Amino acid sequence: EAGVAQSPRYKIIEKRQSVAFWCNPISGHATLYWYQQILGQGPKLLIQFQNNGVVDDSQLPKDRFSAERLKGVDSTLKIQPAKLEDSAVYLCASSSGTGGTGELFFGEGSRLTVL
Amino acid sequence: GNSVTQMEGPVTLSEEAFLTINCTYTATGYPSLFWYVQYPGEGLQLLLKATKADDKGSNKGFEATYRKETTSFHLEKGSVQVSDSAVYFCALTRYSSASKIIFGSGTRLSIRP
Repeated sequence: EAGVAQSPRYKIIEKRQSVAFWCNPISGHATLYWYQQILGQGPKLLIQFQNNGVVDDSQLPKDRFSAERLKGVDSTLKIQPAKLEDSAVYLCASSSGTGGTGELFFGEGSRLTVL
Repeated sequence: GNSVTQMEGPVTLSEEAFLTINCTYTATGYPSLFWYVQYPGEGLQLLLKATKADDKGSNKGFEATYRKETTSFHLEKGSVQVSDSAVYFCALTRYSSASKIIFGSGTRLSIRP
């Protein structure tokens, strides 16, 4: 079974530029998550989708971050314009049910460096 | 609100030593508790979980018991190996239609041969 795929693995941009990350979850998984992991910290949930609807985006900085999950499968996370403090690893995860009952399967992450 | 506090690292042990990584939580109701592990160069993966009080999760020689009276979920292993070197994250979630997993800050474990 293929795991969660993310791209790109690494991205270096200058502040005020834009960047987009892509995630393909495990086939059949209804729930998709984007987490931000800053160096030395635990992952912080940015947004959670159930199929193609948003369940929780309370910690997403909506003035600069956006995410979509068209057709309830792939998802894209965009940052525009980027700030220095956005340097982090962006993790995508998926699960077959809601987080409380099921295991989350994580991709390897996309490491963003903002200069 | 819900939160997880785990012991700060890094933790360095010799091979075959006993391991404890402390984790305490704050949550209303009855959360499910998890330990995730991140090996070098790999994504996070579930190590073990417990969904109700007094449950013991176990996997790969690791164990953790859900203690409601002390709001703790400490990770233990009797004899660590070099291959256990990784970052370990304690996490919780409260079951609901919009539940999310909340992670602790992680504990880096290094095992010396």
